[in-house]
Amino acid sequence: KQEVTQIPAALSVPEGENLVLNCSFTDSAIYNLQWFRQDPGKGLTSLLLIQSSQREQTSGRLNASLDKSSGRSTLYIAASQPGDSATYLCAAYSTGANSKLTFGKGITLSVRP
Amino acid sequence: GAVVSQHPSRVICKSGTSVKIECRSLDFQATTMFWYRQFPKKSLMLMATSNEGSKATYEQGVEKDKFLINHASLTLSTLTVTSAHPEDSSFYICSARDGTGRYEQYFGPGTRLTVT
Repeated sequence: KQEVTQIPAALSVPEGENLVLNCSFTDSAIYNLQWFRQDPGKGLTSLLLIQSSQREQTSGRLNASLDKSSGRSTLYIAASQPGDSATYLCAAYSTGANSKLTFGKGITLSVRP
Repeated sequence: GAVVSQHPSRVICKSGTSVKIECRSLDFQATTMFWYRQFPKKSLMLMATSNEGSKATYEQGVEKDKFLINHASLTLSTLTVTSAHPEDSSFYICSARDGTGRYEQYFGPGTRLTVT
């Protein structure tokens, strides 16, 4: 059974700092790994999707990496801004008969002006 | 990118009544749709998976008679919470996947259900 862990649960940084959000998963048999952003009371916004054959994806100030062998993914945010404050969720899409997307509990990021 | 809508965004209902939530894929055909539930400060919990024209597959512990799912077309799935109780109050999110093989899910904006 796939388990996805995100530690720490919360993070507070000053504006302008570069930061890394970590995600680990127990089962490396995945189709892909996705990073989402969720604002309070809102749905999910997809940020980046890394296919299992890829090592990283980039979009603007965001860069996500994937290391299947170690069961880890990171989301790098460059030059953080107060508008980046949100909860960031990673999710691994497992292969096999019980194929589904398994979410971590998320990291709540606060970027202080 | 692909867009998924949900309606309503918020609903308040009395205990014992039923509530229907709609999920639509607006610009693609969703061969598979998913319904999630999210408790405060918790992650998303998959409730069920439905393929168009088939019965939904429910996750362990989810009552299929309480949470009725219909996926009658390639663009519409509905979740009906029957005989709602206050403990059913939650944030319900649907997502949809196309048949391209990328296994990418597109999420709706969610529905906040409050049962009084």
